[in-house]
Amino acid sequence: GIQVEQSPPDLILQEGANSTLRCNFSDSVNNLQWFHQNPWGQLINLFYIPSGTKQNGRLSATTVATERYSLLYISSSQTTDSGVYFCAVEGTYKYIFGTGTRLKVLA
Amino acid sequence: KAGVTQTPRYLIKTRGQQVTLSCSPISGHRSVSWYQQTPGQGLQFLFEYFSETQRNKGNFPGRFSGRQFSNSRSEMNVSTLELGDSALYLCASRGGRGNNEQFFGPGTRLTVL
Repeated sequence: GIQVEQSPPDLILQEGANSTLRCNFSDSVNNLQWFHQNPWGQLINLFYIPSGTKQNGRLSATTVATERYSLLYISSSQTTDSGVYFCAVEGTYKYIFGTGTRLKVLA
Repeated sequence: KAGVTQTPRYLIKTRGQQVTLSCSPISGHRSVSWYQQTPGQGLQFLFEYFSETQRNKGNFPGRFSGRQFSNSRSEMNVSTLELGDSALYLCASRGGRGNNEQFFGPGTRLTVL
């Protein structure tokens, strides 16, 4: 089956810093999503990005499907950005999640 | 438009009991998926339903089952609970036909004692 790897597993930043999170996947995929999981467990949609580049405020994402990776950029990080970031790719009628990047932003 | 809702939000059961969790998708969404999240195994796919039919199933024992009703609401059932079933159970919905962005509910946190 499709394997999804995320890096780095953990990241500690000072408020205001920028960061790049990476998601590698092992096979061609139809769809890819980025999520932020808050401390209460809710998965919040960040991007639905099977290919190309999208931006939403301080966040942007790029997926290069032919090279099987996606990047999530966080600029000017804030303490509220803390949490776990997941990449998920679609297989056959299911999404496969990576193991996540745990981000902590220090004030 | 209301989001995905899950009930109950928290549940405590003892080993050997069974449990039923409920998920109401976003209005108009016909696909519902279930995931289990544990610290050790991460987020794992359980099953996906579309128009009352199970389209895919993850690698879980037969104690885990689900169904979907004609109004797209879904339930999942776990029988003969084990300690290892303690987890956050997440439900997601999407449109289904060509609309594949998933939206998640808040989850049900199950504790098995």
